Amino acid sequence: DQQVKQNSPSLSVQEGRISILNCDYTNSMFDYFLWYKKYPAEGPTFLISISSIKDKNEDGRFTVFLNKSAKHLSLHIVPSQPGDSAVYFCAASAQQAGTALIFGKGTTLSVSS
Amino acid sequence: DVKVTQSSRYLVKRTGEKVFLECVQDMDHENMFWYRQDPGLGLRLIYFSYDVKMKEKGDIPEGYSVSREKKERFSLILESASTNQTSMYLCASRWTGGYGYTFGSGTRLTVV
Repeated sequence: DQQVKQNSPSLSVQEGRISILNCDYTNSMFDYFLWYKKYPAEGPTFLISISSIKDKNEDGRFTVFLNKSAKHLSLHIVPSQPGDSAVYFCAASAQQAGTALIFGKGTTLSVSS
Repeated sequence: DVKVTQSSRYLVKRTGEKVFLECVQDMDHENMFWYRQDPGLGLRLIYFSYDVKMKEKGDIPEGYSVSREKKERFSLILESASTNQTSMYLCASRWTGGYGYTFGSGTRLTVV
């Protein structure tokens, strides 16, 4: 049973517009969330994270929003650039020793110029 | 910056071969992980280790084993490679005191 769900396999956006990537989770024990970006033939790289005690975290063009009651988080990229075209993975963690990050299946973002 | 190095970027192996994928991290991290990435399936956890000589099964351990003899090195072993193990394999280590990982560049393994 998927604990972290990214229901949109792909998203296409024009350069300069906003990209919104969504992620839902089912486990109420999750207390930390991360987004990773992955280019083909490379390993994922960390993008931004948020703790469950916050509802928003911002880093440059990237903002993550967390809605705990809805068990939903989203990544906003403003403005989108062609270099943002990649697969984005949402990941969640529970504060327990010996646990691993649980990843969603990813959303492929394509930004056209 | 933490560096996680996977020994091979691309590998082609024959069915039935024993395959070793090596991963080394340079930041004395305790926790290390092996995932595989397949289209439409995301990142699936194979095994992880939270200390030397310690290992835990992930979600899809069948057909794999691991070895962690030294803190910096975590090896994934395919006991008898099969075509359904053709995949991108990703090694990661967890940040000290944190939740996030640093990933290696990945090994694209093809089993023929």
